[in-house]
Amino acid sequence: DAGVIQSPRHEVTEMGQEVTLRCKPISGHDYLFWYRQTMMRGLELLIYFNNNVPIDDSGMPEDRFSAKMPNASFSTLKIQPSEPRDSAVYFCASTRNQETQYFGPGTRLLVL
Amino acid sequence: GESVGLHLPTLSVQEGDNSIINCAYSNSASDYFIWYKQESGKGPQFIIDIRSNMDKRQGQRVTVLLNKTVKHLSLQIAATQPGDSAVYFCAEKAGGYNKLIFGAGTRLAVHP
Repeated sequence: DAGVIQSPRHEVTEMGQEVTLRCKPISGHDYLFWYRQTMMRGLELLIYFNNNVPIDDSGMPEDRFSAKMPNASFSTLKIQPSEPRDSAVYFCASTRNQETQYFGPGTRLLVL
Repeated sequence: GESVGLHLPTLSVQEGDNSIINCAYSNSASDYFIWYKQESGKGPQFIIDIRSNMDKRQGQRVTVLLNKTVKHLSLQIAATQPGDSAVYFCAEKAGGYNKLIFGAGTRLAVHP
């Protein structure tokens, strides 16, 4: 099993630009989670999907953030427009049994 | 509100010693707990989990203890090795909810 795949691994962009992060969950997993990790706030859940449907987006910081899951093998997290305070590591995780979440390697985002 | 906290932000041990990482949780309804290990530049990696109907579970060199009376969780690592150096997170989940609530993390530093 390839595990959760995220791309890009690193992203450097300028304030105001659109950023799109991508995730491929583990095959057969029906839950997908997007997290953000910073030194100040730790690991925060942004949104999660079940069977491609967003279930809880209460962690999404503001309207600049949006997430989609068009099919069972692909999800995107978009930030538009990006701001320096969005700089963080963004993780995608997936699970099949609603409990043990398996994390991807993360995307390190730097907004200048 | 729900929260998971850690008593020690940094733990330094000698190679070969046993390590104990502690975690306190506040939600008495939490019925599932997980320990993750995060190495620098990587995503959290599942180590071991435990359900609330158990008070101890063992893995390879790791043991998780759960004390529901005082809402305390611990991770014991036997014969700590340099490769165990990482940040360790505990996480909890309440039945019926699919969110994992993560603690702040404890950094384990193993010295030769």
